[in-house]
Amino acid sequence: AQSVSQHNHHVILSEAASLELGCNYSYGGTVNLFWYVQYPGQHLQLLLKYFSGDPLVKGIKGFEAEFIKSKFSFNLRKPSVQWSDTAEYFCAVPYSGAGSYQLTFGKGTKLSVIP
Amino acid sequence: KAGVTQTPRYLIKTRGQQVTLSCSPISGHRSVSWYQQTPGQGLQFLFEYFSETQRNKGNFPGRFSGRQFSNSRSEMNVSTLELGDSALYLCASSLEGLAGPSTDTQYFGPGTRLTVL
Repeated sequence: AQSVSQHNHHVILSEAASLELGCNYSYGGTVNLFWYVQYPGQHLQLLLKYFSGDPLVKGIKGFEAEFIKSKFSFNLRKPSVQWSDTAEYFCAVPYSGAGSYQLTFGKGTKLSVIP
Repeated sequence: KAGVTQTPRYLIKTRGQQVTLSCSPISGHRSVSWYQQTPGQGLQFLFEYFSETQRNKGNFPGRFSGRQFSNSRSEMNVSTLELGDSALYLCASSLEGLAGPSTDTQYFGPGTRLTVL
């Protein structure tokens, strides 16, 4: 089955530390990739997306992600995290199966930033 | 532009009952997708409606159903509720939705928290 893997369940960092969250997907034909973020008590919102072109994608709040097709990866990075980045992060990939399409999410990575 | 709205925000039901959740998409969006979010399973796709037709469907039993109206508003119904249906139900809207391997951005609502006792 097509899947999205986020390797880290919970990451704890101090402010100003660098962040990298892993995301691997299983479908080689994927053309779109997304990272969503869910801040405490808030709804899921788009952080960044890759559709085509430059594999290094920049998003909101200083986040970026790199699409590496050969590794089926779309890792999220931020050079220096802030306390306000505490949230849960989800990688998402559109998949098809039996003629039906769906946006498949990874299990999420909870990020806790310590002031 | 107003975002995606969902009503009610919280619901408590008992096993065997049925429930209807409502979602109003962003103005101009024709696609509405529904997701179930639980701590154990994460975010799972239920189905997508586009122009009043169910276009895509996830792997949920027939107790989960939905519909979309001509103004793109959508409802989701769960019949014969089970304890395991307790979850946050999220609605997402987009312009064209899940039309293929290329999909446009989905915008999520705040969710409806359903508790089944």
